[in-house]
Amino acid sequence: ETGVTQSPTHLIKTRGQQVTLRCSSQSGHNTVSWYQQALGQGPQFIFQYYREEENGRGNFPPRFSGLQFPNYSSELNVNALELDDSALYLCASSLEIDIAKNIQYFGAGTRLSVL
Amino acid sequence: GENVEQHPSTLSVQEGDSAVIKCTYSDSASNYFPWYKQELGKRPQLIIDIRSNVGEKKDQRIAVTLNKTAKHFSLHITETQPEDSAVYFCAAYGYGQNFVFGPGTRLSVLP
Repeated sequence: ETGVTQSPTHLIKTRGQQVTLRCSSQSGHNTVSWYQQALGQGPQFIFQYYREEENGRGNFPPRFSGLQFPNYSSELNVNALELDDSALYLCASSLEIDIAKNIQYFGAGTRLSVL
Repeated sequence: GENVEQHPSTLSVQEGDSAVIKCTYSDSASNYFPWYKQELGKRPQLIIDIRSNVGEKKDQRIAVTLNKTAKHFSLHITETQPEDSAVYFCAAYGYGQNFVFGPGTRLSVLP
């Protein structure tokens, strides 16, 4: 496997709640990216963190936020959950910030269902 | 920002035949074009990638071609096998840009 782990694997929440998803990157990987993959669609870039700082953000509202920690773990937080937030959330880690030079490795994802 | 289109959305081929999936991108600054295979319920898996300084790359039965002028790149799978059945995603990226995936192609290899 890729050495990137995500938890939990599945999660059910209700509209308006808050959720925290976790990702453990490969050791030594300074960059982590988060993606949202709705059913039947390609992954959509949420944001990227490099050395604990946000470095790039996709077209997602501020209620999507993240953190990256020195131990190569990271979190995706989503506030005020909406039904459309139901999706598979993927994290991917890479050694350095330029993904063109450093392959990104995906975790297996967290499937979030918002009821 | 970058926009990636992918065709076809579904593709059925007979086992042993070839499959071709095409993608176009909009941002000429993109310089990295990976292809991912995603089986049902599993993570995207990188199968091949190409950078803008080359026009073609091959790895056994899989090849990718890139036309920078036309801003399109293609995945070619030869001698398809049932285990090639999956959803395939192209993507485009350039340093300082967001990583953008195409919408995917569902490939079915019929025995």
